[in-house]
Amino acid sequence: EDKVVQSPLSLVVHEGDTVTLNCSYEVTNFRSLLWYKQEKKAPTFLFMLTSSGIEKKSGRLSSILDKKELFSILNITATQTGDSAVYLCDAGGYQKVTFGTGTKLQVIP
Amino acid sequence: DTEVTQTPKHLVMGMTNKKSLKCEQHMGHRAMYWYKQKAKKPPELMFVYSYEKLSINESVPSRFSPECPNSSLLNLHLHALQPEDSALYLCASSQEGVQGELFFGEGSRLTVL
Repeated sequence: EDKVVQSPLSLVVHEGDTVTLNCSYEVTNFRSLLWYKQEKKAPTFLFMLTSSGIEKKSGRLSSILDKKELFSILNITATQTGDSAVYLCDAGGYQKVTFGTGTKLQVIP
Repeated sequence: DTEVTQTPKHLVMGMTNKKSLKCEQHMGHRAMYWYKQKAKKPPELMFVYSYEKLSINESVPSRFSPECPNSSLLNLHLHALQPEDSALYLCASSQEGVQGELFFGEGSRLTVL
């Protein structure tokens, strides 16, 4: 059975801190890993990773995939209160997508 | 237009009612999804339509019945639901089948009395 596990489950940091969120996966016929941010309603897309070792960056956020060790990390530098959300990773196999458990991040002023 | 539109935003129904949730996208995406999300949990996949054909049914009870009338529309018909079916129902679409970025609607908040 496909499995996607995120850690930590929740995290509280102060503004300006750097955080690293983890996502490990065991997915049949893995093809891509995607990160989403979910605030109050629908998840919004952050990154899609298909190749190992290639970092994707968007502002203060970056992510990288390790297909040998079957994990991905999402880094957020200089955190702001607006980064408070649940971060979901989604490991896509053939004809299937599986969301991880999510990491709830709270950034306090 | 990069939106996925879901209606209604909120729905309250009794256990004997029949209702439907609707989802629409005009991005030309060929895969559309229904997810169920309970509070403080990740979205759970229910159904996937790829090129208007049902490609994944995650062992969802028959009281939930999906329908894809055309490539832009996705419905979820609800009948004889249970209170535990109360949740946020999210529709999503993707361009590249089940591998690409998912575009989510705002969701329909369902309460079953």
